Amino acid sequence: ILNVEQSPQSLHVQEGDSTNFTCSFPSSNFYALHWYRWETAKSPEALFVMTLNGDEKKKGRISATLNTKEGYSYLYIKGSQPEDSATYLCAFYSGGKLIFGQGTELSVKP
Amino acid sequence: EAQVTQNPRYLITVTGKKLTVTCSQNMNHEYMSWYRQDPGLGLRQIYYSMNVEVTDKGDVPEGYKVSRKEKRNFPLILESPSPNQTSLYFCASSPTTDRVWNEQFFGPGTRLTVL
Repeated sequence: ILNVEQSPQSLHVQEGDSTNFTCSFPSSNFYALHWYRWETAKSPEALFVMTLNGDEKKKGRISATLNTKEGYSYLYIKGSQPEDSATYLCAFYSGGKLIFGQGTELSVKP
Repeated sequence: EAQVTQNPRYLITVTGKKLTVTCSQNMNHEYMSWYRQDPGLGLRQIYYSMNVEVTDKGDVPEGYKVSRKEKRNFPLILESPSPNQTSLYFCASSPTTDRVWNEQFFGPGTRLTVL
């Protein structure tokens, strides 16, 4: 059974802090890694789709890196804001299946 | 507006009473999928479909059926629901081009309670 691990499970930071999370995935048969942002009472929304080793993607204050050889991806949030509070999910494609990690729940206090 | 719709959004039912949750997308996406979300377990894939008449099992298919007779629709069928199928269900769709697996677009979710 393929496993996708995310750490930490939860994170509480102050407004303005920068933070990062880790997603670990199998390093063999890599197709793509996705990052999603999931706010309470809403549906998950895609942040990044990463396909190549060494990929770096950025959207505003949020960025992500990918290392397919060692099987990990980092998500960074620079200068966290209360509106960044959400659960951040990574998902690994294996053939047609999409396998999600359990997520990192971020809480940003004003 | 490009979207994935699910119906119903909320459902309370009893053990053994067959039900169908509908999912429809208007983006002409080839790939569609069903997930369930349970506390502490994250999103788990139930079934997916790469195109019309092509479906395959995800990680937790037991107790569920799907069909893909049209590109836009991907209903989830629970023939005999049981309390352990109480969960939050999401449908999602995605374009697939040249075997590059693009982002998933999620529906609003269906909260199902089986008594």
